[in-house]
Amino acid sequence: AQTVTQSQPEMSVQEAETVTLSCTYDTSESDYYLFWYKQPPSRQMILVIRQEAYKQQNATENRFSVNFQKAAKSFSLKISDSQLGDAAMYFCAYRSAYLADYQLIWGAGTKLIIKP
Amino acid sequence: DTAVSQTPKYLVTQMGNDKSIKCEQNLGHDTMYWYKQDSKKFLKIMFSYNNKELIINETVPNRFSPKSPDKAHLNLHINSLELGDSAVYFCASSRDTSGREEQFFGPGTRLTVL
Repeated sequence: AQTVTQSQPEMSVQEAETVTLSCTYDTSESDYYLFWYKQPPSRQMILVIRQEAYKQQNATENRFSVNFQKAAKSFSLKISDSQLGDAAMYFCAYRSAYLADYQLIWGAGTKLIIKP
Repeated sequence: DTAVSQTPKYLVTQMGNDKSIKCEQNLGHDTMYWYKQDSKKFLKIMFSYNNKELIINETVPNRFSPKSPDKAHLNLHINSLELGDSAVYFCASSRDTSGREEQFFGPGTRLTVL
């Protein structure tokens, strides 16, 4: 069974600096999708970024980018120029590309604190 | 304009009561989900429906019964509420069941059982 591990329960960063949140996963599959979701205090879960395993290029969305290391089964999220609005819980999630597996497998989350 | 809406946002009730949480999505998605998020923020899938048909039913007490009257709605009914049911419940939807599709989440319903 697939698992997702976020080893940092909490991280803090100074505003305007860069922070990296780590995520590792375990799977025997070769084709899958990885996601980072953000949950601010308002509770709304929002997709931050998505990566297809078959793509070697790391996904980027404005200040958010990933470092996808398929062999190491690592999927870290880098937030550049941190802003106060980035403060939230961040969840890493895995999804098989095989239609028989419908579920998102979630990590335990990392709480990101932004210091002004 | 709300994509996925849930009602109510807060629900406080006594042990033993029966309650329902409603979910509606206006995105035209085929697939809907219910998640439970506990006090430690751990997200657990409960149910998933695709085109009104149940496709995921995780190990959840049978006091929890989802109902999908149509593709746009997935309601959650809970019988005989227990203290351990206190959590935030999220509804979500996705275009279909394929892996790459983003799940869109509702705002959550914070259930408190006294």
